[in-house]
Amino acid sequence: QQQVKQSPQSLIVQKGGISIINCAYENTAFDYFPWYQQFPGKGPALLIAIRPDVSEKKEGRFTISFNKSAKQFSLHIMDSQPGDSATYFCAASPVQGAQKLVFGQGTRLTINP
Amino acid sequence: DAGVIQSPRHEVTEMGQEVTLRCKPISGHNSLFWYRQTMMRGLELLIYFNNNVPIDDSGMPEDRFSAKMPNASFSTLKIQPSEPRDSAVYFCASSLGNGYSPLHFGNGTRLTVT
Repeated sequence: QQQVKQSPQSLIVQKGGISIINCAYENTAFDYFPWYQQFPGKGPALLIAIRPDVSEKKEGRFTISFNKSAKQFSLHIMDSQPGDSATYFCAASPVQGAQKLVFGQGTRLTINP
Repeated sequence: DAGVIQSPRHEVTEMGQEVTLRCKPISGHNSLFWYRQTMMRGLELLIYFNNNVPIDDSGMPEDRFSAKMPNASFSTLKIQPSEPRDSAVYFCASSLGNGYSPLHFGNGTRLTVT
């Protein structure tokens, strides 16, 4: 029940295309859903996050869509650029213990020029 | 603006040896986390501290692993004795520890146990 399942494991998108990564969870106590971006040789860094009181959050080319009833959320990267090539992790944490994130397995995204 | 600093960046050791990983969190952050990253298991939370006190160590795999935070600016993760299955990238992260403040990760220590 603590798991966050992420798909796909890897994704190749052409420059300018839309990249979509999906996550699903089971624990209804989760109420914070961040996405982290990791470049090779670096630690993950927060990209964007959402709380379940909204169904969508947009920051520049990055959008989180959240479906509370389906217990799913996704990351959309519009106009994908080669510099977006990285590994992306979704995560979730409960109200109590908001700092105790449970991470998905990660998606390796490659944007072809 | 220094981020989370981890040392060493790479560590190669033989099975049975003691390994100590070090972390300096961002000044002013009062929560510190140790994560382990492997291909098979992804990012796993090992332990986290709040105000230098261990809050949750349920992710520590076994007694061979121990972590300390003697003060607000330093933490160690020790493995003794090390085993080949401990090979992974170990990340330290820190945060302000309030509400939904983001985790700031260091660049990790890549540990190889032969």
